[in-house]
Amino acid sequence: GQQVMQIPQYQHVQEGEDFTTYCNSSTTLSNIQWYKQRPGGHPVFLIQLVKSGEVKKQKRLTFQFGEAKKNSSLHITATQTTDVGTYFCGRFRGNKLVFGAGTILRVKS
Amino acid sequence: DSGVTQTPKHLITATGQRVTLRCSPRSGDLSVYWYQQSLDQGLQFLIQYYNGEERAKGNILERFSAQQFPDLHSELNLSSLELGDSALYFCASSVVAEGANVLTFGAGSRLTVL
Repeated sequence: GQQVMQIPQYQHVQEGEDFTTYCNSSTTLSNIQWYKQRPGGHPVFLIQLVKSGEVKKQKRLTFQFGEAKKNSSLHITATQTTDVGTYFCGRFRGNKLVFGAGTILRVKS
Repeated sequence: DSGVTQTPKHLITATGQRVTLRCSPRSGDLSVYWYQQSLDQGLQFLIQYYNGEERAKGNILERFSAQQFPDLHSELNLSSLELGDSALYFCASSVVAEGANVLTFGAGSRLTVL
């Protein structure tokens, strides 16, 4: 359907460990967006991926779009306490931006 | 400050009541989106307006309605409130930047129905 499935639902890592969240769709995606919501905050746009196999980096964050454009991932290298929050992927269906359920990241210092 | 203003920040009301949530988009943004975020359900798309016209509808209950006014601010009306309507309601406005339709969210309105 229109939803994107996001896994894991929750991850608790030690500071300095890596973290990855995955976003999967049963249908081909024209694009995928990623947002971050800090605890008590609002979602903030991180990036959009459009091209098959695309890889984009933002400092310690690496975003990938699958070759078949049905999945995407966000990888954080050497997590820090500032990375805590919920990471959402979202896809546009016409004018609707539909989000996955999100992955909650907690970082133990 | 994201530039998207939502009022009120917090609202406590009783079942059966009606409330109005208000959103002012960022200057120049013509699109407004409404989302509901409950503890268990992530960000649920409700409705989207563009320059005063409804453009997309999600799983918005019939008890809920929205509109966008000529000055581009938007209101979300929730009526016959139920306990399950307690949630954080986000408004977002959008602009196309470098080919991406980027949503900028407000701080949200937290509704508690008792």
